[in-house]
Amino acid sequence: LAKTTQPISMDSYEGQEVNITCSHNNIATNDYITWYQQFPSQGPRFIIQGYKTKVTNEVASLFIPADRKSSTLSLPRVSLSDTAVYYCLVGPANNAGNMLTFGGGTRLMVKP
Amino acid sequence: GAVVSQHPSWVICKSGTSVKIECRSLDFQATTMFWYRQFPKQSLMLMATSNEGSKATYEQGVEKDKFLINHASLTLSTLTVTSAHPEDSSFYICSARKDVLRTEAFFGQGTRLTVV
Repeated sequence: LAKTTQPISMDSYEGQEVNITCSHNNIATNDYITWYQQFPSQGPRFIIQGYKTKVTNEVASLFIPADRKSSTLSLPRVSLSDTAVYYCLVGPANNAGNMLTFGGGTRLMVKP
Repeated sequence: GAVVSQHPSWVICKSGTSVKIECRSLDFQATTMFWYRQFPKQSLMLMATSNEGSKATYEQGVEKDKFLINHASLTLSTLTVTSAHPEDSSFYICSARKDVLRTEAFFGQGTRLTVV
């Protein structure tokens, strides 16, 4: 499984756009990039998944360059409730038996 | 979206006793479920993979006799912490994915175990 590297923590203010970058230099051809959000004392929650280029949903955007060795999660206009830990995971999505390996995650603190 | 439910959400037990944690997939069947442990301010660490109808697969360093896993049906996996000690106090989380391509993993809300 490809190893991921993320900043340990980030600070932002309400209303700002937050970009969290994840490095995954040894990503494999069949690997997808998935981001999860975790609030304290809760299980992680899926945010977004992509393979290449750009993916957008109602919560976030995911930018993946052509070489796929990194990815950037973009959270538009964050609010206090976006304070959480964000995990970038890389791995195959070809069947439900593949477990997820979590890296250190990025602790985002949104300030008023 | 799909729901994975854990029970209990928190439990306090005495040293030496056993605690069972249930993980249920409420609206889909899961032949495979995963159990994670998370210590404060740390990331999730995979403990074991629970396979319906067969033995669980444990990660290196996880004692299978201490952390008993039973996946008796396609919607239920249980983790039993046997002879619990204070160092077993942690946040235990299960997850499962629908058995189709390219779906995200769904996580339970976690179980906070405190051993006193």
